[in-house]
Amino acid sequence: NAGVTQTPKFRILKIGQSMTLQCTQDMNHNYMYWYRQDPGMGLKLIYYSVGAGITDKGEVPNGYNVSRSTTEDFPLRLELAAPSQTSVYFCASRQETQYFGPGTRLLVL
Amino acid sequence: KQEVTQIPAALSVPEGENLVLNCSFTDSAIYNLQWFRQDPGKGLTSLLLIQSSQREQTSGRLNASLDKSSGRSTLYIAASQPGDSATYLCAVIEVDSNYQLIWGAGTKLIIKP
Repeated sequence: NAGVTQTPKFRILKIGQSMTLQCTQDMNHNYMYWYRQDPGMGLKLIYYSVGAGITDKGEVPNGYNVSRSTTEDFPLRLELAAPSQTSVYFCASRQETQYFGPGTRLLVL
Repeated sequence: KQEVTQIPAALSVPEGENLVLNCSFTDSAIYNLQWFRQDPGKGLTSLLLIQSSQREQTSGRLNASLDKSSGRSTLYIAASQPGDSATYLCAVIEVDSNYQLIWGAGTKLIIKP
């Protein structure tokens, strides 16, 4: 039982490039979330999903897109990377409490 | 709009001391409150979850209390150890929010041997 896995662990992007952050959970949870965490700050919700085929915006969705074609996978897409998107990104899934992946550290230069 | 505040932002204490971390929230209409631990370069681990109807939860040396009416929670750590060094975050889930967590910025705790 791997829990929540995220890839890649670290990535450097140039301004304007695009990439997909992968998130997979093997606990059959319906709820999944994407957060970003900036230094010294709490987590901010980007997007969330209450089940396959259903997604909704969180507090800071601009510049991001998500899809949820299966229960297991919840990828986060950055279309035109900007320096303001430099952050650590966490994916989580929920049963009674939230279970977090190890995070993806993204640097946009 | 719900706001979650954690004070202090950082805390350094000698090993063996008992300590209290504070969390406050502005809107008492919460579903539950959770405390998480974050180690450097790693994800978050849930420590304790307190439902809105509960007053406290305990796990080992950790005890979390909730006073919904005053918008406060405390995390009590007994007999602190160097392995307790981490950042501790609290988060609340508001009623009717699709279980979205609203986070404090965390307290960075250092336990000195």
